[in-house]
Amino acid sequence: DAGVIQSPRHEVTEMGQEVTLRCKPISGHDYLFWYRQTMMRGLELLIYFNNNVPIDDSGMPEDRFSAKMPNASFSTLKIQPSEPRDSAVYFCASSLPYSYEQYFGPGTRLTVT
Amino acid sequence: EDQVTQSPEALRLQEGESSSLNCSYTVSGLRGLFWYRQDPGKGPEFLFTLYSAGEEKEKERLKATLTKKESFLHITAPKPEDSATYLCAVQINQAGTALIFGKGTTLSVSS
Repeated sequence: DAGVIQSPRHEVTEMGQEVTLRCKPISGHDYLFWYRQTMMRGLELLIYFNNNVPIDDSGMPEDRFSAKMPNASFSTLKIQPSEPRDSAVYFCASSLPYSYEQYFGPGTRLTVT
Repeated sequence: EDQVTQSPEALRLQEGESSSLNCSYTVSGLRGLFWYRQDPGKGPEFLFTLYSAGEEKEKERLKATLTKKESFLHITAPKPEDSATYLCAVQINQAGTALIFGKGTTLSVSS
């Protein structure tokens, strides 16, 4: 298995632009998680899905952030409009049902200038 | 508030010099404690899960232990390839499968 796939790996954009991050979980994993990692705050959970349904989005910082999971093999995290403070590494992770072991993707490094 | 604190923030060791990393937690109900390893530019990689006080898990030069208030990751005779950031995370009963992560300990092992 290729593991969790994220794209793009790096994204540089200007303040005010829309940013879309993509994730393909491991086949058969029905939990999907979006995290954000910064030096100041560490790794923070933004939102997670179970069977394509959002379960907890309390970590989403503002209405500028939205996430979707239209099917079992694809999820997006969108920021609109982007701001410099959104600069971070965004990770997607997935896990099997009844398993606490989460498999992380390589991350997307977002820089907003 | 549920919290996970890791110490030290950074640790430098000579090859073969054993040491321990600490993860202390204040949570309302612990379902499990997890250790991950993160290499620069990569996502965290799962190492261990501990569920109850007194439990221990081992993998090569690493051993994780758990008490009611903290967990230790013991590194025996480390090698340069053990250099990485080690993250501790807890899963609490009220949070479903979500994890709360500490900020990590960055370990550097020199030869």
